[in-house]
Amino acid sequence: AQRVTQPEKLLSVFKGAPVELKCNYSYSGSPELFWYVQYSRQRLQLLLRHISRESIKGFTADLNKGETSFHLKKPFAQEEDSAMYYCALRAYGNKLVFGAGTILRVKS
Amino acid sequence: DGGITQSPKYLFRKEGQNVTLSCEQNLNHDAMYWYRQDPGQGLRLIYYSQIVNDFQKGDIAEGYSVSREKKESFPLTVTSAQKNPTAFYLCASSIQGARYEQYFGPGTRLTVT
Repeated sequence: AQRVTQPEKLLSVFKGAPVELKCNYSYSGSPELFWYVQYSRQRLQLLLRHISRESIKGFTADLNKGETSFHLKKPFAQEEDSAMYYCALRAYGNKLVFGAGTILRVKS
Repeated sequence: DGGITQSPKYLFRKEGQNVTLSCEQNLNHDAMYWYRQDPGQGLRLIYYSQIVNDFQKGDIAEGYSVSREKKESFPLTVTSAQKNPTAFYLCASSIQGARYEQYFGPGTRLTVT
């Protein structure tokens, strides 16, 4: 089965604190994973993908095949990071499977 | 904005009526997608199309239909057979397939009473 699990519906942290948004996947093939973000009143957009191995807006995510995880991390949260975050898996049939999403709230 | 548009932003219909949601893109993308976004369930794929005149069912296609007569357009019809049609609907497009970044429209909120 192809599945993406984001266990936290809501993650609330203080400004300057580290952030880790969890994502686990289930997929028998070679996974390709993405993080999408939706800021308030904006469209859903790509944040980063594992094959790029890049840092976007201070966020990084490492694919851990042993733990089937692709957690999103940032060492120091900013208020502008508050948004809905979706983890997604490229699955069979050339489609994306999304997790349920995690709302990140950064408090001042 | 621009690139990929959805209309209308809000749509209200009576139960038992079919309704068509519009999705247009001027990005010259081959692939287009329809998702349904419900609180606590994330995005679920309804239908997708990788080329003109071809489309595939997603995970929750029952009660929906689509057409892809033009590269730029991928309308979604919510039929009366859809048991729970009230939702937020998102359209997306990409160069070719899910390997590439998907660009999303602003969404249409459909309310059926």
